[in-house]
Amino acid sequence: SQTIHQWPATLVQPVGSPLSLECTVEGTSNPNLYWYRQAAGRGLQLLFYSVGIGQISSEVPQNLSASRPQDRQFILSSKKLLLSDSGFYLCAWDPGLSNTGELFFGEGSRLTVL
Amino acid sequence: DQQVKQNSPSLSVQEGRISILNCDYTNSMFDYFLWYKKYPAEGPTFLISISSIKDKNEDGRFTVFLNKSAKHLSLHIVPSQPGDSAVYFCAASEGNSGGSNYKLTFGKGTLLTVNP
Repeated sequence: SQTIHQWPATLVQPVGSPLSLECTVEGTSNPNLYWYRQAAGRGLQLLFYSVGIGQISSEVPQNLSASRPQDRQFILSSKKLLLSDSGFYLCAWDPGLSNTGELFFGEGSRLTVL
Repeated sequence: DQQVKQNSPSLSVQEGRISILNCDYTNSMFDYFLWYKKYPAEGPTFLISISSIKDKNEDGRFTVFLNKSAKHLSLHIVPSQPGDSAVYFCAASEGNSGGSNYKLTFGKGTLLTVNP
C-alpha cells in the first residue's frame, strides 16, 4: 500500500533562518507531488506541484522554493524565513495517470516563525 | 479572489441529526468536486467526490449534492455522529481528463461539531 511521510512534524524557527521540509511517498512510482499551506484563518493554498523529477511548478510568488531530487521525494525550502511563512504545510500526492481526482495528504508540518 | 467559498466557518448539530455543509464556487470551468475531512494536527483525508456530470453521489452516511446552475454543492451527513466532528474542506478542480495533475482549489473549511 502507498504511504506518505513528511517531517519534521513541528518546527519553530527565527526570522531569517533557512527551512527544509521533506516529504517521501512509498509504494508508488511517478506520482504527482504537491505542497500546500494552510495559514491561520485560510483554506489550503497550493504552493508547488511536480509531475516528475526536476519538474516544479509554482502557483504563487513567495519566499519558498521546492525541489524533487528523486521520483518520490519532494522538498520545500527557504533561504530566509519570514513571519508570514508560518503555517501548516501539507505534502500530497496523486498517482498520476491512474488518478481518480483524489489527493492523498501527509500528516503535515507545523512551522512557526518567530 | 476566492474561487471556492465555504461561508460558514462553523456548524454545530446534535448527534443523530443531519449535518449540512455548504460550498459555493465561482469558476465555471470546475468539473470535479471533492470533500475532505481534517482532524487537528493531521492531514486532510478524502471523504467523497462528485463529477459535474452528476448531481448526487452517495456513500453510506455521506451524500454530496451538486447544483451546477447555482454553482453550489453541499455535503449531507445523516445521521451525524460525534466522531464526525472535524473541519470539512470543499475542493474543486478543472480538467479532470485523466493523466493530468490535479490542482485542487480549496475552501477555507467548516468546523463541524456534533454534540452527544
